[in-house]
Amino acid sequence: DQQVKQNSPSLSVQEGRISILNCDYTNSMFDYFLWYKKYPAEGPTFLISISSIKDKNEDGRFTVFLNKSAKHLSLHIVPSQPGDSAVYFCAYVIQGAQKLVFGQGTRLTINP
Amino acid sequence: NAGVTQTPKFQVLKTGQSMTLQCAQDMNHEYMSWYRQDPGMGLRLIHYSVGAGITDQGEVPNGYNVSRSTTEDFPLRLLSAAPSQTSVYFCASSKRGASGTEAFFGQGTRLTVV
Repeated sequence: DQQVKQNSPSLSVQEGRISILNCDYTNSMFDYFLWYKKYPAEGPTFLISISSIKDKNEDGRFTVFLNKSAKHLSLHIVPSQPGDSAVYFCAYVIQGAQKLVFGQGTRLTINP
Repeated sequence: NAGVTQTPKFQVLKTGQSMTLQCAQDMNHEYMSWYRQDPGMGLRLIHYSVGAGITDQGEVPNGYNVSRSTTEDFPLRLLSAAPSQTSVYFCASSKRGASGTEAFFGQGTRLTVV
């Protein structure tokens, strides 16, 4: 039973436009949601997080939105750049623990 | 600034062989964990540790052993390799109480079992 779902395996966006990556979850007992970015042959790197008590967090071109009633999370990248092409994973931290539960990932391709 | 170091980067094993994947971190992080990444499955937790001498099972622990004798090292042992263990393995570490519990990952070990 996948507790975190990223229903789009891939997404293609034109350079300069907005990229929106989505994530749905079933377990409400979390402290934080996090987004990780992964390039080929490298480990995931942390991108941005959001606390369970907030509905928005912004860091430069990256904004994460949390809709707790819909159990939905989204990452907005504006404007999209070629270097943003990577696989993006959403993950949550189980309340009271340090374990990360990951979604399946979405491969984002930014076209020039 | 090494961060999390995994060795080896690539490994081919025959079914039934055993081996140890090494993981070391130099950030004095309390928490360390092992994940495997398979196509369409994301990263799944194998084992984790909240400190030296303390380990626990994750989502997919069967066929793997871990120990944590020091803060820095967290090796993952495959007791008798099976083709189902063909995967990319990532080790991660994080600091207790860090905001957002940001984890730092190693570069991964690509394991093929034939």
